[in-house]
Order: sequence, then C-alpha cells, then structure tokens
Amino acid sequence: AQSVSQHNHHVILSEAASLELGCNYSYGGTVNLFWYVQYPGQHLQLLLKYFSGDPLVKGIKGFEAEFIKSKFSFNLRKPSVQWSDTAEYFCAVRDAGKSTFGDGTTLTVKP
Amino acid sequence: NAGVTQTPKFQVLKTGQSMTLQCAQDMNHEYMSWYRQDPGMGLRLIHYSVGAGITDQGEVPNGYNVSRSTTEDFPLRLLSAAPSQTSVYFCASSWGQGYNEQFFGPGTRLTVL
Repeated sequence: AQSVSQHNHHVILSEAASLELGCNYSYGGTVNLFWYVQYPGQHLQLLLKYFSGDPLVKGIKGFEAEFIKSKFSFNLRKPSVQWSDTAEYFCAVRDAGKSTFGDGTTLTVKP
Repeated sequence: NAGVTQTPKFQVLKTGQSMTLQCAQDMNHEYMSWYRQDPGMGLRLIHYSVGAGITDQGEVPNGYNVSRSTTEDFPLRLLSAAPSQTSVYFCASSWGQGYNEQFFGPGTRLTVL
C-alpha cells in the first residue's frame, strides 16, 4: 500500500522568505508524484509533478520540487514566497487509478 | 469547458437520510474519483472509476455507493447519512492513470446532524 507523509502541518513565513515543504512517500512501484495547491475558496490545482527524467521539476508560480529516490522524498521549494502563496499544499502519489494524499500543509505568508 | 462540476455546494442532512452528490465533467476523461477532506487528514479516496461501467473501492468506501453509467457523470450516494460523514467532498477526473494530473471540482460541504 502506498502512503504519503507531510512533515509540516502549519508553516508561517514572512514575505520573501524561502520555503521548503517536506514530503516522503512509501511505495514500491513506479512513482508518480504530485504537489497540488488549494488557495482559499478555490479548487485544488496542480503545482507540479514528477514521473520520470530530471528529478528537479519546475511548476507554476516559481515552485520546484526535487525527487530523491534514495530518500523516498519529493520536497517542494520556493526561493521567495509571496503573500499570495498563502494556501494549503498537498503531496500525492499515484498508482494506476488510485491516488494517496498527504495530510496537507497550511502555509501562511505574512505581508 | 466547464471542467468538473459538483452539485450541491452545501447540504445539511439529518442522520439516516440518503442523498446523491452529483459530479460531471466535460473533458471526456476516463478516470474519475471521489474524495473526502477532513481537517488534518488530507484527501481520502472513497471510490474511483476507470471508465463507464467500471468502479472500485478506495480507502474509505463504507456508507457510500457509486455508479458510472456514462463517461461524463459519476454520482456518489450516501445510503444512510451519519454524523461521521460530515466532510467536504471532492470529485476529480483525469485523462488516464499514473502520471496524469487530476482536475478537481469545487467541492460539496456536507453536514450531517
């Protein structure tokens, strides 16, 4: 069975600070990894994904994530956050038609 | 494209009542899923479908039924509502499995009294 662990439940940063959200997964097969974001009052939407190739993937709004196979990790990063990045962030792993999500990390960016 | 639509947006039920949450997508996606989101617990998969006529259980299927008679629609039925089913329900669809991203609906906030 697959599982996803997000280490930080709530992160508070000031604008321009750097961000790193941890995500570890447990799955023995081919990994398809995702980060989704849910802005206040909006749908979940895709930030970025990894399934093969370059382990450093870039997504929308300046976000990136690095897949480290040896550590079973897929951490999300952004060099300088903005107030508009305030949202809930979910890491997910997908096997065939089934997805498993982490518990989510609420990011609050103070102006 | 409307994307993934869900109705209703809000619903209050009494314990024991039944109801159907509607989900539709206009992107001709084969894969559709239902999730529930509870505080501090992320999204948990209830049921999913890999195409019309094919459904399977997810992580938390008890108390819910689904059917998939068309590619577009994937309704979720609560047979006899319980307070433990108070949650926000999301429907999602995707082109395929694996690395294909899911597109989410706006959610239905359900309260069971």
